[in-house]
Amino acid sequence: EAQVTQNPRYLITVTGKKLTVTCSQNMNHEYMSWYRQDPGLGLRQIYYSMNVEVTDKGDVPEGYKVSRKEKRNFPLILESPSPNQTSLYFCASSVGLGPYEQFFGPGTRLTVL
Amino acid sequence: AQKITQTQPGMFVQEKEAVTLDCTYDTSDQSYGLFWYKQPSSGEMIFLIYQGSYDEQNATEGRYSLNFQKARKSANLVISASQLGDSAMYFCAMREGFNAGNNRKLIWGLGTSLAVNP
Repeated sequence: EAQVTQNPRYLITVTGKKLTVTCSQNMNHEYMSWYRQDPGLGLRQIYYSMNVEVTDKGDVPEGYKVSRKEKRNFPLILESPSPNQTSLYFCASSVGLGPYEQFFGPGTRLTVL
Repeated sequence: AQKITQTQPGMFVQEKEAVTLDCTYDTSDQSYGLFWYKQPSSGEMIFLIYQGSYDEQNATEGRYSLNFQKARKSANLVISASQLGDSAMYFCAMREGFNAGNNRKLIWGLGTSLAVNP
């Protein structure tokens, strides 16, 4: 089944404790992206990747890191999480340069205390 | 300025009736795409329908259709024969063409919460 998976689905952590949210897709998509969703602010892009070893900042990259060592995986790293990073995070992927839909993972609800 | 505007924070509709969710957009690109996604209370983001700026026909997918009025820059979602399972948040999103370069990010509206009454 074609899908984007994210882990964990739910995470409660404390300020400053490094964490990684994994994202994996099995559709051989070139493009992958991370968004965060906050009430009243909608979805905002954090980082994106055009292909292996090619990543770039989105609209709200501060406090986050990403890597793309393999085509299928695009982990999101929070080196020192803070309470303002409490949010719902989505990983998405798509194929080609055309106006294709973006496939979304199920989301990760992160709470930073 | 908001690039995607959804003016209806919340909507109610009676089961089996049709409902229109509004979306207006702003772009200077000639080539762009418009998307609608559904987000149920469980949180996942479900793709519903897509309209390209050069598509001459309005997009349709089952009970979903997109009323695309390019000159007015609107891309309203029409759901026919509403079902209880349609209760969810609905988001309109846009991917710009040349302005976006290689970044295929979606620009999102703030959503409309739809409640279907039995």
